[in-house]
Amino acid sequence: QQQVKQSPQSLIVQKGGISIINCAYENTAFDYFPWYQQFPGKGPALLIAIRPDVSEKKEGRFTISFNKSAKQFSLHIMDSQPGDSATYFCAASTGIRSGGSNYKLTFGKGTLLTVNP
Amino acid sequence: GAVVSQHPSWVICKSGTSVKIECRSLDFQATTMFWYRQFPKQSLMLMATSNEGSKATYEQGVEKDKFLINHASLTLSTLTVTSAHPEDSSFYICSARPRGSDTQYFGPGTRLTVL
Repeated sequence: QQQVKQSPQSLIVQKGGISIINCAYENTAFDYFPWYQQFPGKGPALLIAIRPDVSEKKEGRFTISFNKSAKQFSLHIMDSQPGDSATYFCAASTGIRSGGSNYKLTFGKGTLLTVNP
Repeated sequence: GAVVSQHPSWVICKSGTSVKIECRSLDFQATTMFWYRQFPKQSLMLMATSNEGSKATYEQGVEKDKFLINHASLTLSTLTVTSAHPEDSSFYICSARPRGSDTQYFGPGTRLTVL
């Protein structure tokens, strides 16, 4: 049973456009939601993360929107650039705030973003 | 800050041999380290979780006698693939979690090819 569902599987956006990737989770015990960016042949790099007590978090061109009641969260990339072309993974875990003892991340299946020049 | 390194970045070995991969947290102490496996165009699959000084906890379906994990210190964990076979060829990635943090920082990955 996949606990974090990510969509779309792939996304093509024009330079300067907005990229939107959505994730939905099932486990209400999750209390930490990071997004990772991965380039081919590299390890994932943390982009931005949010906790359920906040509905939105912005860091530069990247924004996470969080809807606790719907158990959904999304990543918005404003002014998308060709250099943003990568695979993006959402993830969720039970962490320190909920007394998490393993901090294991449950990943979505990933979204391949292509930003055309 | 929060840099994780892996060594080697790639390795080619013959079937039946063992390969060791190192994962180091360079600028922080890692209470927990994780090992993942990733197949092309797929998500990360957690293999095991290790806490410093204790035995690793393996995910269901992961052979602990084949994938030996040692978390010898707060900055070093190793994964040894024993008696490697071609089906073990994959991209192996480690991550490390600093004390008091929920965040996992990932290493650059190790590409293992077993001939």
